[in-house]
Amino acid sequence: AQSVTQLGSHVSVSEGALVLLRCNYSSSVPPYLFWYVQYPNQGLQLLLKYTSAATLVKGINGFEAEFKKSETSFHLTKPSAHMSDAAEYFCAVSDRSNYKLTFGKGTLLTVNP
Amino acid sequence: EAQVTQNPRYLITVTGKKLTVTCSQNMNHEYMSWYRQDPGLGLRQIYYSMNVEVTDKGDVPEGYKVSRKEKRNFPLILESPSPNQTSLYFCASSFRRGGGPRSRSYNEQFFGPGTRLTVL
Repeated sequence: AQSVTQLGSHVSVSEGALVLLRCNYSSSVPPYLFWYVQYPNQGLQLLLKYTSAATLVKGINGFEAEFKKSETSFHLTKPSAHMSDAAEYFCAVSDRSNYKLTFGKGTLLTVNP
Repeated sequence: EAQVTQNPRYLITVTGKKLTVTCSQNMNHEYMSWYRQDPGLGLRQIYYSMNVEVTDKGDVPEGYKVSRKEKRNFPLILESPSPNQTSLYFCASSFRRGGGPRSRSYNEQFFGPGTRLTVL
């Protein structure tokens, strides 16, 4: 069985500060990993994905994430937060055999002016 | 435009009144899935479908039904809704990159805009 743990249900940063959203996964097989973003009253949008190619993955809107097998982590970062980054972020792990996505509980990012 | 559509977007109903939430995708995806999103719980899978006439239970299937008669449509049916089914529902679909039985599946799921359901 797979699982995802997102540390911190709510993260608050100042505009221009580093954004770090933590994700740890558990999987018995090499995983596919994803970060999705949900803006208020909208659906989920894919930010980036890891599919066993490069371990440092770059996504949209300046976000990136690094797959660290030894730490079973896939933390999301952005060097400088913008007000428009305020949203809820979900980390997810995929079971390659049956397409299933298992989501973390989400981290709400607040950006203060 | 490639998209997943859901209808209705908002629905308020009463306990026991059967309802259907429709989901349609225009990307010729084989895989489709329903999730519910509840505060503090993230998204949980209700049902999924690998192809036409192939459906299976997810993590929280109780109280729901689905059907997959056509590739593009995957309706979610609540035969007798109850207040604990008040939630935000998302439909998603996915494609497989490449081809053949050994092709790698990236499982990049595309999500619909969501349906906010309230059961009184």
